[in-house]
Parts: sequence; structure tokens; C-alpha cells
Amino acid sequence: ETGVTQSPTHLIKTRGQQVTLRCSSQSGHNTVSWYQQALGQGPQFIFQYYREEENGRGNFPPRFSGLQFPNYSSELNVNALELDDSALYLCASTPGRVNTEAFFGQGTRLTVV
Amino acid sequence: RKEVEQDPGPFNVPEGATVAFNCTYSNSASQSFFWYRQDCRKEPKLLMSVYSSGNEDGRFTAQLNRASQYISLLIRDSKLSDSATYLCVVSTSSNTGKLIFGQGTTLQVKP
Repeated sequence: ETGVTQSPTHLIKTRGQQVTLRCSSQSGHNTVSWYQQALGQGPQFIFQYYREEENGRGNFPPRFSGLQFPNYSSELNVNALELDDSALYLCASTPGRVNTEAFFGQGTRLTVV
Repeated sequence: RKEVEQDPGPFNVPEGATVAFNCTYSNSASQSFFWYRQDCRKEPKLLMSVYSSGNEDGRFTAQLNRASQYISLLIRDSKLSDSATYLCVVSTSSNTGKLIFGQGTTLQVKP
């Protein structure tokens, strides 16, 4: 096990609603990145948080936002959910912002109906 | 054009076969290279990093050709447990750990 935990594991939401996903990073890791993985595709980078600040963002609209807390855990918030937001959301933690040997949590499977 | 391209497969091979996966990347400034393995409906797990000199880990050998922007993974003596999706991954940023994933190549090893 990686030591990265995500909650919830599964979630069903209605279009237009808002959702918050949570991630606890591995002990000693101060950097958390979020990825979206649609069915049959590779994960896509949403953003990264390093020491509570956003440190890099992928091609996602502003309705995708995040937070990192002093204990380095993190939240991903998505507002105004769309059907295309249905995906596996993965959190990855690393011991530094440029370290790329990432350890992933088991993911949250979000279904928007 | 996708930043990282892989043949999605599926590759169906018998146990004991040798199978090779290829991947190309578009950004010549890419700095780090990896192969991740992802089992069905699970999270990706790091299989191995890829170095210019090539590297081997048991039955797995990875190669990087920076001039051709090409990465490969060779699996020898395939086992049933090797059945999974193999993701080619690159990192281009010097400021973040952003990983760019290919679509993944699915391998099915059959008895």
C-alpha cells in the first residue's frame, strides 16, 4: 500500500451539483497532485499543491479548485458538475514539488447523472 | 497531437511470451520517464523509471531514445499476473512534478 488514502471511494452526483473529494498524503510527503482519468484514457493532470499553495495547473476550468492543509492533506472541489466530469479522480503524493516518483491513492470514482 | 502516444492494444499473448510496448513523446524538453502499471479499476503504480542507459528489473527492461523521443518496455517470460494496462509517463516541468500519461497499452496474458 502507498499510504495515500482518498475518500470517498465512490460517489454519484447530479449535474449542476458540487462535490468535494479528499486525499491524505503519504507520511513525509508535502506535495499533492490531482489527476482525472476518464474511461479508457490515461490520467490527466488537474493541479498540484505544495506547502498549501497551488503550484501548477493543467487544462481544467476554474470550477475545479483545490486546497491543501497544514498536515498536507488536500481537497479537490468541483462546482457545477457536468456529465463529462464522470471519471476516476486520483490523488498522488510526492516528497517534494519536483519529485516525480508519485504514489497514488486508490481513487474516487465519480459518476455524474 | 497527443503529448505521449501509445498503441492502446490490446496485446493478447500466451504465457511465456516476450512482448514489447512502445511509446513516443512530443516534447524534446521532457526530463523524466516512467512506466506505470494499472490493474483494472485500480490506481496506477510505478513499475520502473526509464534512463538513457536503459535499465532492467527482473523480467522487465526499459529503454529510452532521446534522439527519437521514444520509450520502450520489454517483458520477458510473460506471466498471467502481468495482465494489466501499462502507462507510459513523462515529466517535462522543472518546477512541478506534473506527469503526462499516455493512453495506456492493455496486455492480456493467456494460459
